[in-house]
Formats: sequence, C-alpha cells, structure tokens
Amino acid sequence: AQSVTQLGSHVSVSEGALVLLRCNYSSSVPPYLFWYVQYPNQGLQLLLKYTSAATLVKGINGFEAEFKKSETSFHLTKPSAHMSDAAEYFCAVTNNDMRFGAGTRLTVKP
Amino acid sequence: EAGVTQFPSHSVIEKGQTVTLRCDPISGHDNLYWYRRVMGKEIKFLLHFVKESKQDESGMPNNRFLAERTGGTYSTLKVQPAELEDSGVYFCASSQGQVRGEQFFGPGTRLTVL
Repeated sequence: AQSVTQLGSHVSVSEGALVLLRCNYSSSVPPYLFWYVQYPNQGLQLLLKYTSAATLVKGINGFEAEFKKSETSFHLTKPSAHMSDAAEYFCAVTNNDMRFGAGTRLTVKP
Repeated sequence: EAGVTQFPSHSVIEKGQTVTLRCDPISGHDNLYWYRRVMGKEIKFLLHFVKESKQDESGMPNNRFLAERTGGTYSTLKVQPAELEDSGVYFCASSQGQVRGEQFFGPGTRLTVL
C-alpha cells in the first residue's frame, strides 16, 4: 500500500521568504512521487516529479524537491516566495493509481 | 493541444436526483482516471479506465456510482440517486503510456447535493 502525508494544512510565508512544504511517503515499492499545484478555479498542474533518477528534482516556477529515502520524505521548496505562489499544493505517490495527500494551502503575505 | 476538459463545471442538485459528469481526456490518452475530493479532505481515487475497460474501480464508493467510457474516448460518471455525502469536486485525469507516469488533470466538476 502507498500513501503520502502532508504536514501542515496551511502554511503562511512572507513574500521573498523560503517556502517549505512537507511531504512524507509510505511505499512498498520504489515510489514515483509528484507535486501538483491547484490555483483557484483551475485543475491540478504538475510542478515536478521524481521517477527514480536524480534525487533533487527541479520543477516549474522555481520549485524543487529532494527525494530522501532514509527519511521517506519529498519536501517541496522554493528559495523566495512570490505572491503568485499562493495556491494549494498536493503531494502524490503512484503505483497503479495515484494517492494524494490532504493538501497544503500556501498563503503569501506582502 | 487541448487539455482534459470536464462538464459541467458546477452542478447543484437535490438529494435523490441523478447527475452525470463528463470528462474528455487528452486525445490519444488510453488511461483515464476519476478522483473525488470531499471538502477539506484528500483527493481520493475512484477508478481507472484503460481505453474502454475498467482497470481498477476499487475506489468507487458504492453502487450509486456508475462510470462508463464507451469507445475509449470520453467518460461519464453518473450518480443515481445522489446523497448529501456525494458533494465534492470530481476530477478527471488522463495519461498515456506507462501507468506510473504523469497524469493530466481537468479543472474538476463541483457537485453540490442539497
């Protein structure tokens, strides 16, 4: 069985500050991991994915995530938050179907 | 290239009524998935089609839900009769090739059952 847990349903940062969204996974097989973002009234958009190649994965909009097997983590980071990053972020793991975390809503304060 | 589209974007119905949601995947994508997000909770898998065949329907909540994908193109998800707990956002996604690859999501249908 596979699952992901996102720590923190809401995260608030100031514009220009570091963004850190936490995701831990559980998987009986080497996982494929994803981060998706959902902006208001839009569908989920892929930010980045890990598919057993490089452990540091770079995505769109300046986001990156590092796969750490020893910690079973796949945290999402961005060095400097922008107002346009305000959205809901979902971590997911897939085998035959995709299992999502509960989501983390990111607020960016001016 | 058009993305995954879903219709309607919103639907408000009364308990006991029937609603049909539609999903048009990206052209050429054999894999089609349905997910549901009940307010404030995680997005949950409902089922997976490969072309017109149901590969996995383990996430379907009960027999009030019926999904079809005739001809392996668009898919419909019918809820009959709808209950209050069916309210939520229903997402459709599609992918091609390997099952563990990226899935492309539609904007979702927000269903409200009163």
